[in-house]
Amino acid sequence: DGGITQSPKYLFRKEGQNVTLSCEQNLNHDAMYWYRQDPGQGLRLIYYSQIVNDFQKGDIAEGYSVSREKKESFPLTVTSAQKNPTAFYLCASKAGGGPLHFGNGTRLTVT
Amino acid sequence: GESVGLHLPTLSVQEGDNSIINCAYSNSASDYFIWYKQESGKGPQFIIDIRSNMDKRQGQRVTVLLNKTVKHLSLQIAATQPGDSAVYFCAETPYSGNTPLVFGKGTRLSVIA
Repeated sequence: DGGITQSPKYLFRKEGQNVTLSCEQNLNHDAMYWYRQDPGQGLRLIYYSQIVNDFQKGDIAEGYSVSREKKESFPLTVTSAQKNPTAFYLCASKAGGGPLHFGNGTRLTVT
Repeated sequence: GESVGLHLPTLSVQEGDNSIINCAYSNSASDYFIWYKQESGKGPQFIIDIRSNMDKRQGQRVTVLLNKTVKHLSLQIAATQPGDSAVYFCAETPYSGNTPLVFGKGTRLSVIA
């Protein structure tokens, strides 16, 4: 089945460590996105990529980094510079002007 | 499950009744609108979309209404079922390919059996 796979579902890290969240899609979509979700704040855009080897900052890119070396993959690194990294992270993709298709998220807890 | 939407507006409806979830948007340039449903611990799931050249679109048990004059979007769910309990988000974007969607804060729908 086509879809978006995020792994792992739960991730725990110590403060000061970088951590990379995986996102893979087999929908052949050009565009991929990372959103962060906190309680009561909806979804906020971190980074997005419209094509391989290109990406743009979203509204809350500080403390995050991404790469887009392959069409299928858009990993997100949460760096130690991110002040409040504990959140639910959602990856999505889309083709052209259609709706976003989301993965089931990674819950990151930093202590 | 995930603690999504601890402080979200909540709509409680009796099973079998119709539900109406509202959303106000601010960007008059937006011309593509989408409703998503998010269950606890999962990613948002596409429900229905509408483009600005329409004011109403129907799906299976769901209807989206768009009022561009007052920048208002609503989602109507007919004969609400317990499985409809979730957080519902509206999203908007100017229709220009891969321009990112902007999401509303969401409304929690609670169905009383």
